[in-house]
Formats: sequence, C-alpha cells, structure tokens
Amino acid sequence: NAGVTQTPKFQVLKTGQSMTLQCAQDMNHNSMYWYRQDPGMGLRLIYYSASEGTTDKGEVPNGYNVSRLNKREFSLRLESAAPSQTSVYFCASSEAYKDTQYFGPGTRLTVL
Amino acid sequence: GQQVMQIPQYQHVQEGEDFTTYCNSSTTLSNIQWYKQRPGGHPVFLIQLVKSGEVKKQKRLTFQFGEAKKNSSLHITATQTTDVGTYFCAPPSGGSYIPTFGRGTSLIVHP
Repeated sequence: NAGVTQTPKFQVLKTGQSMTLQCAQDMNHNSMYWYRQDPGMGLRLIYYSASEGTTDKGEVPNGYNVSRLNKREFSLRLESAAPSQTSVYFCASSEAYKDTQYFGPGTRLTVL
Repeated sequence: GQQVMQIPQYQHVQEGEDFTTYCNSSTTLSNIQWYKQRPGGHPVFLIQLVKSGEVKKQKRLTFQFGEAKKNSSLHITATQTTDVGTYFCAPPSGGSYIPTFGRGTSLIVHP
C-alpha cells in the first residue's frame, strides 16, 4: 500500500499561472481533504470531499477549486496563482469524515 | 462558536526533561485526536480520545482527556531527540465534525 500519494513534490510558478495538484489514495477511503500549511499558522482546511461526488469549502477556499475525480483521486487547482498561495499543500484521506486522517508527503509550492 | 487554544506554541527542553502540551476548548468536545509532524514531514496520527477522563499511554507519551471534555493534554516523559516536531491536537469542528488543526506546539529538544 502506497497510502496517500501527491504529485508534484515541488513546484515553482509565476504569478498568474495555473496548475493542478494531484492526490490519490489506495485505502478505499470515502473522505479526502486538502490543507495548506504556512509557518506559524498550523494546518488550514481548503476543501474537503466527505464522499465520492461531493465537495465542500473549508476554512480558506478562495483562489482554489477541487475535483473528486473518483473515489481514489482528489485534485486541487489554482487557476491564477498568487504569491499568497506559496505554501506547503497536504492531501489527506479518512475512512469517514470524522475518522483518523492519513496524510500524503506534501507539495511545496512557491509562487513568484 | 468553538474556540480551541493549544499551548505553548514553542517549547525548548534539554534531552531527558519532560514536556507537556495542552489543548483547551470553550465548548465540550465529542472527541479529540492528536497528531505529530516531524520537521519536513507530514502529520501522523497518534491517538484519539473519546471518553471523559480518559488516559492513554504510548510508551513515554501520556494522553489525557479532561473530565468535562473541554481540555486535553499530551505529556512526554524523559524527552529524546526523536521527539522533536510539532504536536497538534485536532478536535472536531462544530459544524462539519471534521478534525480541525490549530497551530500546534513545536517541541525542540537540545542534546
């Protein structure tokens, strides 16, 4: 089992560029999440998908869109990247939305 | 709404000293999870507490859930350099019941 995988591991963008962060889990989990982590700010929830076919906004959704492609995959899209979106992005999954979360290794994104 | 505070934000200790981090809520919690994140790594689940007054141990780590289910603590006995990292309490948010992470407590252990 690979658990939760994320691609890419590192990315540098210029302001205004777009990109999609990919996340996949092989644990047959129903719920998936996207977080961002900034120094001194802890983990903040961007979007989550409680089950296949549903997505909901978290604490900081502005500037992001998500797609729950199927039960395994949950992608995060930045349509027009801004320097304020420089952060480490973590994807996580859990069996149900109240359960233990399993995190991927993260994507370190820099927007210039 | 629910307010959760984790203290301290940072803690420096000498190797061998004990360490405690506290998580305090303004409202009663149904449960609380604890995670650890090593520097450069990702959060890893440690434990979930559900019952009032619950105490659970994992080797040198002791987790407690208050009688009123409004606070929780993590105590590490005789810290080691491998304990370095940030410890997060993650109580469920009021509306969605999803575990929510605060700023955590960063533990620095000096050899």
